[in-house]
Amino acid sequence: LAKTTQPISMDSYEGQEVNITCSHNNIATNDYITWYQQFPSQGPRFIIQGYKTKVTNEVASLFIPADRKSSTLSLPRVSLSDTAVYYCLVGSASASGGSYIPTFGRGTSLIVHP
Amino acid sequence: DAGVIQSPRHEVTEMGQEVTLRCKPISGHNSLFWYRQTMMRGLELLIYFNNNVPIDDSGMPEDRFSAKMPNASFSTLKIQPSEPRDSAVYFCASSTGQGLNQPQHFGDGTRLSIL
Repeated sequence: LAKTTQPISMDSYEGQEVNITCSHNNIATNDYITWYQQFPSQGPRFIIQGYKTKVTNEVASLFIPADRKSSTLSLPRVSLSDTAVYYCLVGSASASGGSYIPTFGRGTSLIVHP
Repeated sequence: DAGVIQSPRHEVTEMGQEVTLRCKPISGHNSLFWYRQTMMRGLELLIYFNNNVPIDDSGMPEDRFSAKMPNASFSTLKIQPSEPRDSAVYFCASSTGQGLNQPQHFGDGTRLSIL
């Protein structure tokens, strides 16, 4: 099963760029890397997904090196409302065989200070 | 557009009682996931359906837990009998396709407290 490792927590200040790195040494060839954001009392929300190199959308950028054993979520110019838990998700093979089962890491708790 | 709808939002019951959590996935999505979230264990996948068929239930903690998906628009997670250690937030999510390669859309969860 693929596993992910992220920092448990990070602190930042408004206006700064935040980079959260996730390690996934056992990533499989067909696996995609997906990041989610979760606010208190809400379900996780999809942020961005990538397979290799760089992906950018209106919210964030995702950097994936050639070996794909890690990925970095980059949040430009964070605000107080970006305070949340961020999860790195990588597909893993099911114990039942064949299907890809998503495995969430512990998540990174990001606190943005004024 | 309606997202994933879970009910109830909150449930408080005494241990030993049967608990049924409900989920309506997004129309057109053919994968459905049930998760449990606690402070101790984080977000855990319990079971995963694809086209209404359970694909992997290896995350279901024990026989007291069961899940069904009788049709494409409804799923239930049942705990019988419930125990205090089952207290958690239970999330349902749905996606198109199979497995990870499509983003999952989560409901707002059911906060379950077993006294």
